[in-house]
Order: sequence, then C-alpha cells, then structure tokens
Amino acid sequence: AQTVTQSQPEMSVQEAETVTLSCTYDTSENNYYLFWYKQPPSRQMILVIRQEAYKQQNATENRFSVNFQKAAKSFSLKISDSQLGDTAMYFCAFMKQGGAQKLVFGQGTRLTINP
Amino acid sequence: DTGVSQDPRHKITKRGQNVTFRCDPISEHNRLYWYRQTLGQGPEFLTYFQNEAQLEKSRLLSDRFSAERPKGSFSTLEIQRTEQGDSAMYLCASSLPGSNYEQYFGPGTRLTVT
Repeated sequence: AQTVTQSQPEMSVQEAETVTLSCTYDTSENNYYLFWYKQPPSRQMILVIRQEAYKQQNATENRFSVNFQKAAKSFSLKISDSQLGDTAMYFCAFMKQGGAQKLVFGQGTRLTINP
Repeated sequence: DTGVSQDPRHKITKRGQNVTFRCDPISEHNRLYWYRQTLGQGPEFLTYFQNEAQLEKSRLLSDRFSAERPKGSFSTLEIQRTEQGDSAMYLCASSLPGSNYEQYFGPGTRLTVT
C-alpha cells in the first residue's frame, strides 16, 4: 500500500515571500503520478500541479514548482511570490498508474499568507 | 461545463437514520470517485465507478454504505443506520481518461451525525 506523509501541519509566511511545503511518500511502484491539490477555506479542491514519475524534469506552473526526488521519494512544492489567495490547505497526493487511478492523500498542510 | 456538483451541501441527521447524497459529475467524465475527509485529515478513497460499473471499493466502505451510478451519469452514496463516526465531508470527483489524470472535485457534502 502507498502512504503519503506531510510533516508540516501548519505554515505561515508573509505576502510575497517564497514558501516550500514538504511531502514524502512510500511505494514499491515504478510508474505513478504525484499531485499537489489546494483546498481554500469552504471551497472545493483544485489541482495545483502534477508530476509524472518517469519525467526527470520538475514540473512548473507559473509561481508553483516542485522538487521531485524519485530516489528519496520526496515531492516538495515551492510557491514563489506568495499571494493572499494562496491561503489554503495543501494536499500532496499519489496515484498509481493503471487500475482505479485513485488518489492517496497526505494529511495536509495549512498555509496562511499574511499581509 | 459547470463542474462537479453535490447535493446537499450540509446534512445533519440523528444517529440511526439513513442519508443519501448525490453527485453530478462533469458531463463527459466516465470515471467517478467518492472520498471521505474527516476534520484535519486528507481525503480517503471510498469507491470508484467507470460508467455505471462500480469497480473498486475501499475497506472503509462498510456494509452500511452503498453507492450507485445507475446510468453512468450521476451517482448516489447512501449510509444506512448512521453512526457518529460517519460525521465527515463526503467528496465526489470525476475524471476523463486521457485528461492527464486530473480529478475534478465537487464542493462536498458535510455530514453531521448527532
């Protein structure tokens, strides 16, 4: 079974700062996908960024980028130039290739961006 | 494309009552998922449909839980004889094969069992 661990329950930074959220996972699979989802207060979960395990290049989406270390089974999210709208719960998630393609989530990190 | 919708958004029920939740996925999405999220935790997988077929169920889904997707469109999740431990947010998500594996989530139904 796969597990995902987010070791930072809460983080808080000032607006415009850069923040990095940590995620580690455990799997015996070789082909899989990793995701960061954002869940704003009282709003639905949306995808922030995805990474295919077979790709060595780290994914980037505007101010969001990941540091994917496959051997270490680490998948951190960096948010640059943080904005007030980035305040949310952030979940790291794992998906095995094939089958149901269900998501296995970490416990989440509550990120607060302060003005 | 109006996104994934769920109804009701909130449900308060007394222990022992039955409840039913509905999920309407994005129209062309043939995969539909149910997850449960308890306070302070990440969502946990409950069950998965491809079209009308329920192809996988988690061990979390006790025999008091049943899910259907009768025509491969909307889905219902029923909980019989609710218990206080069933209090949680129930999330529905849908996806389309070939869409980079992205699952689109609904706003959830928050269940409180008193």
